[in-house]
Amino acid sequence: EIVLTQSPGTLSLSPGEGATLSCRASQSVSNTYLAWYQQRPGQAPRLLIFATSFRATGIPDRFSGSGSGTDFTLTISRLEPEDFAVYYCQQYGYSPLYTFGQGTTLE
Amino acid sequence: EVRLVESGGGLVQPGGSLRLSCAASGFTFNSDWMHWVRQAPGKGLVWVSRINSDGVTTTYADSVNGRFTISRDNAKNTLYLQMNSLRVEDTAVYFCAREGRGGSHDFWGQGTLVTVSS
Repeated sequence: EIVLTQSPGTLSLSPGEGATLSCRASQSVSNTYLAWYQQRPGQAPRLLIFATSFRATGIPDRFSGSGSGTDFTLTISRLEPEDFAVYYCQQYGYSPLYTFGQGTTLE
Repeated sequence: EVRLVESGGGLVQPGGSLRLSCAASGFTFNSDWMHWVRQAPGKGLVWVSRINSDGVTTTYADSVNGRFTISRDNAKNTLYLQMNSLRVEDTAVYFCAREGRGGSHDFWGQGTLVTVSS
């Protein structure tokens, strides 16, 4: 069973700063099948990045994804107030078929 | 505009049943795989089930396999989740989501809360 471990659990930053969020998989994940989501309080998740590095429609270019194998990163440059939320990585393919990390809270 | 609207949540006793619905609009529903994902209060996201575009192929998480049934009515642009033998640990907000590229979920509904309690 694959496990996605996100770090840090909580990241405390200020608007205008940059953020680096990590997602480590217990087994190698295909770049094609790694995604990132943002979830604001009381809202549904929103897809930010698919296939490791491709921004979803309407996502600002201050969000970028990178990585390969077992180590993936979501980078947010120049934090805006609306970026403070919980972020999840997700893989597809291993058992469980779709697995989410436990989340990183950006506060 | 893609829109997914869940309904059917509520309070149910352990061992009871509930059927969730997800009304879809703004895209060609019968072309896309659809999913249910849940989130227990204060917890993270957990994938529950998926169904292919014509409703023939379904897959479930181990935790719900044999108790939940996903289905769809493409004529009504609606996704369903029949939940039987509900347990306290099934308490969560249930989201429907469309499958996007690379196994991602590109559009989500606002969720419906299911509470299993005596």
